[in-house]
Parts: sequence; C-alpha cells; structure tokens
Amino acid sequence: DVKVTQSSRYLVKRTGEKVFLECVQDMDHENMFWYRQDPGLGLRLIYFSYDVKMKEKGDIPEGYSVSREKKERFSLILESASTNQTSMYLCASSPPWGRGMSSPLHFGNGTRLTVT
Amino acid sequence: QKEVEQNSGPLSVPEGAIASLNCTYSDRGSQSFFWYRQYSGKSPELIMFIYSNGDKEDGRFTAQLNKASQYVSLLIRDSQPSDSATYLCAVRRGSSASKIIFGSGTRLSIRP
Repeated sequence: DVKVTQSSRYLVKRTGEKVFLECVQDMDHENMFWYRQDPGLGLRLIYFSYDVKMKEKGDIPEGYSVSREKKERFSLILESASTNQTSMYLCASSPPWGRGMSSPLHFGNGTRLTVT
Repeated sequence: QKEVEQNSGPLSVPEGAIASLNCTYSDRGSQSFFWYRQYSGKSPELIMFIYSNGDKEDGRFTAQLNKASQYVSLLIRDSQPSDSATYLCAVRRGSSASKIIFGSGTRLSIRP
C-alpha cells in the first residue's frame, strides 16, 4: 500500500520564519505534489515535481519554493512565513502519466500550519 | 471562471436514494478525470477515475463523462450515511508532467 508521510501534523510558526514542510513517499513514484486546502477554495496546487531536481509551478507558487534532491522526498519551503499562509498543506505522489491514464494521487495526512 | 467548478452544496439526499454530483471544466485539453472523497479532517481518497466518454461503473458508484459538454458527474446509488463527505472533482490536463486541478468540492449529506 502506498504510504505518503508528512513530517508534522500540526505546526505553529511566527511571521517571518523560514518554514520547511517535509514529505516522503515509499512507492518509488516519479510525481510529487504540494497543495494547500482552504475552506471554500478547495485544493490549490502550489508546486509539483516529475523527477529529481525537476519542479514546476502550480497555480499559487508565490511565497513558496520546493526541493527534490531525492526521489522519495519533496520539501515545501515558506521563505518568510506570513499569516495568509495559514492553511492545511497536503503532499501527494503518483506514478508517471505514461503508466495508464489514471495515475491517481496518493495523499499524505496533511500538515495544519498556523502562522501567528 | 474557475478551471474546475462544482456546486459547493450542501447536497442533502435521503438514505437509499441516488446522489448526483456534478462538475464542469474549462480546458478542452483535459484528459483524465477523478472523483475523490474527503471525510472531515482526513485526506482525499480516490473513488473513481474516467477518461473516455460515457459511463464507468464501480459498485454503487458511476462516473459519467461528456467531453463535448465538458461535464463529468458522479452518481452514488443506494446512498448510505457513510457516504456523507465532501466530494472533489479533479482534472488532469495534458499527457505528461501535467497538473491535476481540483474543484472546491461538494459537501454531501445523507439523511437517515
């Protein structure tokens, strides 16, 4: 069974801090994603990666960066946390698109980040 | 216009009835379509995916896709209280290294 593990379930940080959210998957998936989920807005894609050291911006990349040095790990970095980045952050992984049309996302349990 | 649109609900359906959830998308290049279920406080989990026009059935769930109308739906037959959740429609565009975009979800409530 696919396991996507996010390092923290709850996190409280101060405005201006540099924040690292870590995600590890154990299924050798090529694709990894970071979403944030806010009430009424659904899941919004921040960044995704389709290979080690490769990344592409999603719909709301401003204020975030990512790192993928190893295939199994995808980190989301908030360069200088702000209160409007208080949210639920969800990491997901999937097989590459070539392996059938489904390639569904497998989600981690989420990290609820509060920036004060 | 949002790329993937869903009615936020809540949609209230009596137990045993058919629940019908709808989703429209704006990008005609979209190729794969997914329905995820999300219980409160939990992560989304995949229910079904569809990529060809028509219907796809899996147990009590049927996904319907109409690419000409840019419309995808999910039918839940014999609705159970355990089906009460938020249902997220998701769309994958392109054929490689592409984004999966989610709608904001429809909250479904099954009343006993």
